[in-house]
Amino acid sequence: SAVISQKPSRDICQRGTSLTIQCQVDSQVTMMFWYRQQPGQSLTLIATANQGSEATYESGFVIDKFPISRPNLTFSTLTVSNMSPEDSSIYLCSVVVMGSDTQYFGPGTRLTVL
Amino acid sequence: KQEVTQIPAALSVPEGENLVLNCSFTDSAIYNLQWFRQDPGKGLTSLLLIQSSQREQTSGRLNASLDKSSGRSTLYIAASQPGDSATYLCAVKDGNKLVFGAGTILRVKS
Repeated sequence: SAVISQKPSRDICQRGTSLTIQCQVDSQVTMMFWYRQQPGQSLTLIATANQGSEATYESGFVIDKFPISRPNLTFSTLTVSNMSPEDSSIYLCSVVVMGSDTQYFGPGTRLTVL
Repeated sequence: KQEVTQIPAALSVPEGENLVLNCSFTDSAIYNLQWFRQDPGKGLTSLLLIQSSQREQTSGRLNASLDKSSGRSTLYIAASQPGDSATYLCAVKDGNKLVFGAGTILRVKS
């Protein structure tokens, strides 16, 4: 299994500002992902975080809005830029651990944009 | 494009009842299927993973089955308890990514 921590756990931000979310894993992982869960909705994949290179974004998500870094195997950041109230969601980090196919999720970051 | 559907959207049962949650997917070329549990305001907890070559997996009171050819999976919960109350999500591994259903909200009444 994997223990995943995310910081911050929640935040309230003003429109037009940016927030960086950190994800730290206690195990070596093969894949890291960032998901968004809008209120009352299921999860949507934002991007796959690639170590040492640009993230791979899903349709509807762009690097300028959601820049992602992954400097090593166990750490990644997601920035939500120039926020608007529509960005209010739970953002979740997810990983696949080496030697396993199971995908694990962090506790999430609950973001409210006013 | 892979689509995942979960039925029912919500379910309320008395404590002790056995229940079945359903998941269907449109493209049978999946790598695996995972069932998750999500408590309100929390992240996801992995319950069971079924590889595409497997028919079922069991963990305690939970049993998940997979019929890849028909694009269906079920999650069976035996002797339900109030602590089982949560949202249950089904997700299929399509390429490198998980595609999620909308979930079933389960309430077990004491």
